[in-house]
Amino acid sequence: GQQLNQSPQSMFIQEGEDVSMNCTSSSIFNTWLWYKQDPGEGPVLLIALYKAGELTSNGRLTAQFGITRKDSFLNISASIPSDVGIYFCAGLNSGGSNYKLTFGKGTLLTVNP
Amino acid sequence: GAVVSQHPSWVICKSGTSVKIECRSLDFQATTMFWYRQFPKQSLMLMATSNEGSKATYEQGVEKDKFLINHASLTLSTLTVTSAHPEDSSFYICSASGTNYSPLHFGNGTRLTVT
Repeated sequence: GQQLNQSPQSMFIQEGEDVSMNCTSSSIFNTWLWYKQDPGEGPVLLIALYKAGELTSNGRLTAQFGITRKDSFLNISASIPSDVGIYFCAGLNSGGSNYKLTFGKGTLLTVNP
Repeated sequence: GAVVSQHPSWVICKSGTSVKIECRSLDFQATTMFWYRQFPKQSLMLMATSNEGSKATYEQGVEKDKFLINHASLTLSTLTVTSAHPEDSSFYICSASGTNYSPLHFGNGTRLTVT
């Protein structure tokens, strides 16, 4: 089946630093999604990307859908303590009633104040 | 935006009992709901896809007789963990998809602890 390789697995940064994480896939997706999960809660959608090459921002977050449709990155600028959490990428190939997501293994982000 | 509500948020049960978890779409009709399981420090694993009015489609390795899924209405799906055992202890999360929504939104999860 499809697999997503997400890196890095974890990051320890100082408040104010920028962060970058990425996902690569062995196969094509037509939608890439980035989620953040806080402990004990469900994932919250951060950014959705629908077109190859698309670059989308949401506040301090920027994500891009790779031109090959096999990769995506997420950047967080000027990190703050509340950015702490696990970030997941997810790929989706929607068609008809099939909306099955494939998740990466997550990037654990720790921000030191 | 689309809101998905999950209940209960946590439950503790004794081994051998059954537990029901509800997933509701609050502001849209969910033709499809998805149930995931997440172990500590791991990613979400899809267990099954639930379509309103029809039988759920289970992923390989998921026991359909143990994890009963019912999607009787366009706003409610339930997951029942039958004859629960300690190894069923996990974080269960649902997401929902409607005719105008991709499955972009998740419930807040249910922490199940089987003693």
